[in-house]
Amino acid sequence: EAQVTQNPRYLITVTGKKLTVTCSQNMNHEYMSWYRQDPGLGLRQIYYSMNVEVTDKGDVPEGYKVSRKEKRNFPLILESPSPNQTSLYFCASSLSNVWTAASGGNQPQHFGDGTRLSIL
Amino acid sequence: AQSVAQPEDQVNVAEGNPLTVKCTYSVSGNPYLFWYVQYPNRGLQFLLKYITGDNLVKGSYGFEAEFNKSQTSFHLKKPSALVSDSALYFCAVSPHSSNTGKLIFGQGTTLQVKP
Repeated sequence: EAQVTQNPRYLITVTGKKLTVTCSQNMNHEYMSWYRQDPGLGLRQIYYSMNVEVTDKGDVPEGYKVSRKEKRNFPLILESPSPNQTSLYFCASSLSNVWTAASGGNQPQHFGDGTRLSIL
Repeated sequence: AQSVAQPEDQVNVAEGNPLTVKCTYSVSGNPYLFWYVQYPNRGLQFLLKYITGDNLVKGSYGFEAEFNKSQTSFHLKKPSALVSDSALYFCAVSPHSSNTGKLIFGQGTTLQVKP
C-alpha cells in the first residue's frame, strides 16, 4: 500500500531535549516536505526536499533541521525544542515538484497521519 | 503577498442538502488549486485539483469545485451532503511563480453534516 509513515504519532517532551520525527514514503517520490498545522493558521511549510541531498527552507524553518540522505526518508530534527514548537506536524511527498509541467501536470501531495508534539 | 482565504470557520448542512465550502486566493499569475480533506487523527487526503481547462473540476467522493478566475475563487461543492462528509477541509494553491513545490493553505473549514 502506498503510504507516508511518520513516527512517533504522539510525543510529550521537555524544552531543550533533542528529538527526531521520522518520515518514510514507499512511492519512490522525489519531493518531500514538512508542514506544521496550528489552529487558525492552516498548514505552513517548514522545509522541503526536491531530491536526495537537496533541501531548502520553507516559510517557518527556525528551530528545525532536516536531512535527505535516502530518497524514501526525510527526518525532521528539533535540536533544542521550545514550547512554541508544540504543534501537529505532517510529512508529505509527491512524485515531483508540484508545479513542474514536465511531470505531466501537478502531482497532489500525499500526507502522513501526523505527529502531535507537546513541548513542556 | 500570496494567500488563500477560507472565510468560514464552520459550515453546517443537513444531510441530503447541497453544500458549498468557499475559497478565494491571491497569487501572481495562474495558480494550481487543490482541495484536501482531513478526518480526525488522519493526514490530509487529496480531493481534487484545477490545473487548466474546464472550470468545473470533479473529484473524489462526489465533490466538485468551480474555478472562477475573475473572482479568484475555487469553491468546493457537493449536490447532496452525507454525514460521513463531516471533516476539516483545506483549500491550497501552488503558485506558478514558485519552484519550491510549496502549497499555500487556507485556514481550514470544518464541515458539519447533520442527519
